[in-house]
Amino acid sequence: QVQLQESGPGLVKPSETLSLTCAVSGYSISSGFFWGWIRQPPGKGLEWIASIYQSGSTYYNPSLKSRVTISVDTSKNQFSLKVSSVTAADTAVYFCARTKSDNSGWYQDYWGQGTLVTVSS
Amino acid sequence: EIVLTQSPGTLSLSPGERATLSCRASQRVTSNYLAWYQQKPGQAPRLLMFGVSTRATGIPDRFSGSGSGTDFTLTISRLEPEDFAVYYCQQYDSSPRLTFGGGTKVEIK
Repeated sequence: QVQLQESGPGLVKPSETLSLTCAVSGYSISSGFFWGWIRQPPGKGLEWIASIYQSGSTYYNPSLKSRVTISVDTSKNQFSLKVSSVTAADTAVYFCARTKSDNSGWYQDYWGQGTLVTVSS
Repeated sequence: EIVLTQSPGTLSLSPGERATLSCRASQRVTSNYLAWYQQKPGQAPRLLMFGVSTRATGIPDRFSGSGSGTDFTLTISRLEPEDFAVYYCQQYDSSPRLTFGGGTKVEIK
Protein backbone atom coordinates (compact mmCIF):
# COMPACT_ATOMS: atom_id res chain seq x y z
CA GLN A 1 0.00 0.00 0.00
CA VAL A 2 1.42 3.35 -1.05
CA GLN A 3 1.60 5.87 1.78
CA LEU A 4 2.74 9.48 1.79
CA GLN A 5 3.53 11.56 4.85
CA GLU A 6 4.20 15.29 4.90
CA SER A 7 6.51 16.88 7.44
CA GLY A 8 7.77 20.37 8.15
CA PRO A 9 7.24 23.43 10.33
CA GLY A 10 3.65 24.36 11.03
CA LEU A 11 4.48 28.04 11.44
CA VAL A 12 6.56 30.20 9.11
CA LYS A 13 7.25 33.93 9.38
CA PRO A 14 6.32 36.28 6.55
CA SER A 15 9.07 36.74 3.93
CA GLU A 16 10.77 33.49 4.98
CA THR A 17 10.94 30.18 3.11
CA LEU A 18 8.45 27.38 3.69
CA SER A 19 10.04 23.92 3.46
CA LEU A 20 8.14 20.63 3.41
CA THR A 21 9.12 17.02 2.81
CA CYS A 22 6.98 14.09 1.72
CA ALA A 23 8.18 10.64 2.72
CA VAL A 24 6.89 7.83 0.51
CA SER A 25 6.52 4.23 1.68
CA GLY A 26 5.20 1.16 -0.09
CA TYR A 27 6.55 2.31 -3.45
CA SER A 28 9.94 3.34 -4.79
CA ILE A 29 9.92 6.86 -6.24
CA SER A 30 12.63 5.80 -8.69
CA SER A 31 10.25 3.24 -10.20
CA GLY A 32 8.24 5.95 -11.90
CA PHE A 33 5.21 8.21 -11.61
CA PHE A 34 5.07 11.91 -10.97
CA TRP A 35 5.06 13.28 -7.44
CA GLY A 36 3.58 16.59 -6.50
CA TRP A 37 2.24 19.17 -4.08
CA ILE A 38 -1.27 20.60 -3.84
CA ARG A 39 -2.46 23.12 -1.27
CA GLN A 40 -5.79 24.18 0.18
CA PRO A 41 -6.26 27.47 2.08
CA PRO A 42 -8.59 27.11 5.06
CA GLY A 43 -12.19 26.77 3.87
CA LYS A 44 -11.22 27.07 0.21
CA GLY A 45 -10.51 24.90 -2.82
CA LEU A 46 -7.49 23.01 -4.12
CA GLU A 47 -4.52 24.54 -5.94
CA TRP A 48 -1.83 22.55 -7.74
CA ILE A 49 1.66 23.83 -6.88
CA ALA A 50 4.21 21.64 -8.64
CA SER A 51 5.08 18.13 -9.79
CA ILE A 52 8.32 16.25 -10.37
CA TYR A 53 9.14 13.07 -12.24
CA GLN A 54 11.50 10.49 -10.77
CA SER A 55 14.09 11.58 -13.32
CA GLY A 56 14.01 15.08 -11.86
CA SER A 57 11.94 16.83 -14.54
CA THR A 58 9.92 19.56 -12.87
CA TYR A 59 6.59 21.22 -13.63
CA TYR A 60 5.25 24.31 -11.89
CA ASN A 61 2.02 26.26 -11.61
CA PRO A 62 2.88 29.43 -13.55
CA SER A 63 1.27 31.58 -10.85
CA LEU A 64 3.73 30.27 -8.25
CA LYS A 65 6.74 29.31 -10.35
CA SER A 66 8.95 32.25 -9.37
CA ARG A 67 8.78 31.28 -5.67
CA VAL A 68 8.60 27.49 -5.74
CA THR A 69 11.17 24.71 -5.98
CA ILE A 70 10.35 21.01 -5.99
CA SER A 71 13.05 18.37 -5.67
CA VAL A 72 13.35 14.62 -5.24
CA ASP A 73 15.75 12.46 -3.22
CA THR A 74 15.41 8.92 -4.51
CA SER A 75 17.97 7.61 -1.98
CA LYS A 76 15.63 8.62 0.85
CA ASN A 77 12.46 7.92 -1.16
CA GLN A 78 11.14 11.39 -0.54
CA PHE A 79 10.48 14.66 -2.33
CA SER A 80 10.41 18.22 -1.09
CA LEU A 81 8.87 21.63 -1.63
CA LYS A 82 10.23 25.09 -0.95
CA VAL A 83 8.16 28.26 -1.22
CA SER A 84 10.09 31.48 -0.78
CA SER A 85 8.99 34.93 0.32
CA VAL A 86 5.81 33.64 1.93
CA THR A 87 2.88 35.82 2.90
CA ALA A 88 -0.36 35.16 4.74
CA ALA A 89 -1.83 34.07 1.39
CA ASP A 90 0.41 30.99 1.55
CA THR A 91 -1.33 29.77 4.69
CA ALA A 92 -2.88 26.45 3.72
CA VAL A 93 -2.99 22.72 4.21
CA TYR A 94 -0.27 21.32 1.98
CA PHE A 95 -0.83 17.86 0.51
CA CYS A 96 1.71 15.69 -1.23
CA ALA A 97 0.40 13.19 -3.77
CA ARG A 98 1.38 10.63 -6.35
CA THR A 99 0.32 11.60 -9.85
CA LYS A 100 -0.47 9.08 -12.54
CA SER A 101 0.14 10.16 -16.10
CA ASP A 102 -1.47 8.09 -18.84
CA ASN A 103 -3.94 8.41 -21.70
CA SER A 104 -6.52 9.60 -19.15
CA GLY A 105 -4.45 12.64 -18.21
CA TRP A 106 -2.75 13.50 -14.92
CA TYR A 107 -4.57 12.62 -11.73
CA GLN A 108 -3.64 12.03 -8.10
CA ASP A 109 -4.27 8.47 -6.92
CA TYR A 110 -2.53 8.55 -3.52
CA TRP A 111 -2.44 11.50 -1.13
CA GLY A 112 -0.77 12.34 2.15
CA GLN A 113 -2.97 13.39 5.05
CA GLY A 114 -1.91 17.02 4.65
CA THR A 115 -0.07 19.41 6.92
CA LEU A 116 -1.25 22.88 7.93
CA VAL A 117 1.28 25.64 7.42
CA THR A 118 0.46 29.02 8.91
CA VAL A 119 2.33 32.14 7.86
CA SER A 120 2.39 34.57 10.75
CA SER A 121 4.85 36.64 12.72
CA GLU B 1 -5.38 28.76 -18.36
CA ILE B 2 -8.48 26.59 -18.33
CA VAL B 3 -10.90 27.65 -15.57
CA LEU B 4 -13.28 25.04 -14.18
CA THR B 5 -16.61 26.23 -12.78
CA GLN B 6 -18.57 23.81 -10.65
CA SER B 7 -22.29 24.09 -9.96
CA PRO B 8 -24.20 24.21 -7.84
CA GLY B 9 -22.05 25.41 -4.99
CA THR B 10 -24.13 23.41 -2.55
CA LEU B 11 -26.54 20.56 -3.21
CA SER B 12 -28.99 19.68 -0.43
CA LEU B 13 -30.36 16.19 -0.85
CA SER B 14 -31.63 13.25 1.20
CA PRO B 15 -30.08 9.78 1.35
CA GLY B 16 -31.36 7.68 -1.52
CA GLU B 17 -31.74 10.63 -3.86
CA ARG B 18 -29.80 11.20 -7.08
CA ALA B 19 -27.06 13.82 -7.17
CA THR B 20 -25.98 15.56 -10.36
CA LEU B 21 -22.87 17.73 -10.16
CA SER B 22 -21.69 19.92 -13.02
CA CYS B 23 -18.19 20.99 -14.05
CA ARG B 24 -17.88 23.47 -16.90
CA ALA B 25 -14.54 24.39 -18.49
CA SER B 26 -13.68 27.77 -20.01
CA GLN B 27 -12.04 25.95 -22.95
CA ARG B 28 -12.20 22.46 -24.36
CA VAL B 29 -10.53 19.98 -22.01
CA THR B 30 -7.69 18.21 -23.82
CA SER B 31 -8.53 14.61 -24.69
CA ASN B 32 -11.09 14.55 -21.88
CA TYR B 33 -8.39 14.68 -19.23
CA LEU B 34 -10.95 15.24 -16.47
CA ALA B 35 -10.93 13.73 -12.97
CA TRP B 36 -13.20 13.95 -9.93
CA TYR B 37 -12.30 13.82 -6.23
CA GLN B 38 -14.29 13.51 -3.02
CA GLN B 39 -13.14 15.29 0.13
CA LYS B 40 -14.53 14.91 3.62
CA PRO B 41 -13.77 17.34 6.46
CA GLY B 42 -10.23 17.02 7.77
CA GLN B 43 -9.26 14.48 5.12
CA ALA B 44 -7.27 14.46 1.93
CA PRO B 45 -9.15 14.32 -1.36
CA ARG B 46 -9.92 10.84 -2.67
CA LEU B 47 -9.79 10.02 -6.37
CA LEU B 48 -13.20 8.99 -7.69
CA MET B 49 -13.02 9.16 -11.48
CA PHE B 50 -10.39 9.79 -14.16
CA GLY B 51 -10.54 10.08 -17.92
CA VAL B 52 -14.08 11.49 -17.41
CA SER B 53 -15.78 8.16 -16.76
CA THR B 54 -13.36 5.57 -15.37
CA ARG B 55 -13.95 4.76 -11.72
CA ALA B 56 -10.88 4.57 -9.50
CA THR B 57 -10.13 1.41 -7.57
CA GLY B 58 -12.75 0.65 -4.94
CA ILE B 59 -15.24 3.30 -6.05
CA PRO B 60 -18.79 1.91 -6.07
CA ASP B 61 -20.78 1.88 -9.29
CA ARG B 62 -23.35 4.35 -7.97
CA PHE B 63 -20.75 6.94 -9.04
CA SER B 64 -20.58 7.71 -12.74
CA GLY B 65 -18.97 10.38 -14.86
CA SER B 66 -19.90 11.72 -18.25
CA GLY B 67 -19.36 14.61 -20.61
CA SER B 68 -16.92 15.89 -23.18
CA GLY B 69 -15.44 19.10 -24.50
CA THR B 70 -16.34 21.73 -21.91
CA ASP B 71 -19.24 20.15 -19.99
CA PHE B 72 -18.82 17.31 -17.54
CA THR B 73 -21.09 15.68 -14.97
CA LEU B 74 -20.58 13.51 -11.91
CA THR B 75 -23.69 11.54 -10.98
CA ILE B 76 -24.32 9.68 -7.75
CA SER B 77 -27.29 7.46 -8.48
CA ARG B 78 -28.49 6.91 -4.90
CA LEU B 79 -26.83 8.88 -2.11
CA GLU B 80 -25.47 6.88 0.78
CA PRO B 81 -24.73 8.57 4.13
CA GLU B 82 -20.97 8.39 3.42
CA ASP B 83 -21.38 10.31 0.14
CA PHE B 84 -22.08 13.66 1.81
CA ALA B 85 -18.87 15.55 1.15
CA VAL B 86 -17.28 18.13 -1.15
CA TYR B 87 -16.54 17.11 -4.74
CA TYR B 88 -13.90 18.66 -6.99
CA CYS B 89 -13.27 18.29 -10.68
CA GLN B 90 -9.72 18.63 -12.05
CA GLN B 91 -8.35 18.94 -15.56
CA TYR B 92 -4.91 18.52 -17.05
CA ASP B 93 -3.58 20.39 -20.07
CA SER B 94 -0.36 19.90 -21.91
CA SER B 95 1.36 23.02 -20.51
CA PRO B 96 1.47 20.97 -18.29
CA ARG B 97 -0.91 22.45 -15.78
CA LEU B 98 -3.46 21.02 -13.40
CA THR B 99 -6.47 23.09 -12.36
CA PHE B 100 -9.30 22.31 -9.98
CA GLY B 101 -12.86 23.52 -9.87
CA GLY B 102 -14.14 25.40 -6.84
CA GLY B 103 -16.03 22.40 -5.48
CA THR B 104 -19.62 21.33 -4.89
CA LYS B 105 -20.73 20.51 -1.37
CA VAL B 106 -23.32 17.75 -1.13
CA GLU B 107 -25.09 18.16 2.18
CA ILE B 108 -27.87 16.33 3.94
CA LYS B 109 -31.24 17.98 3.49
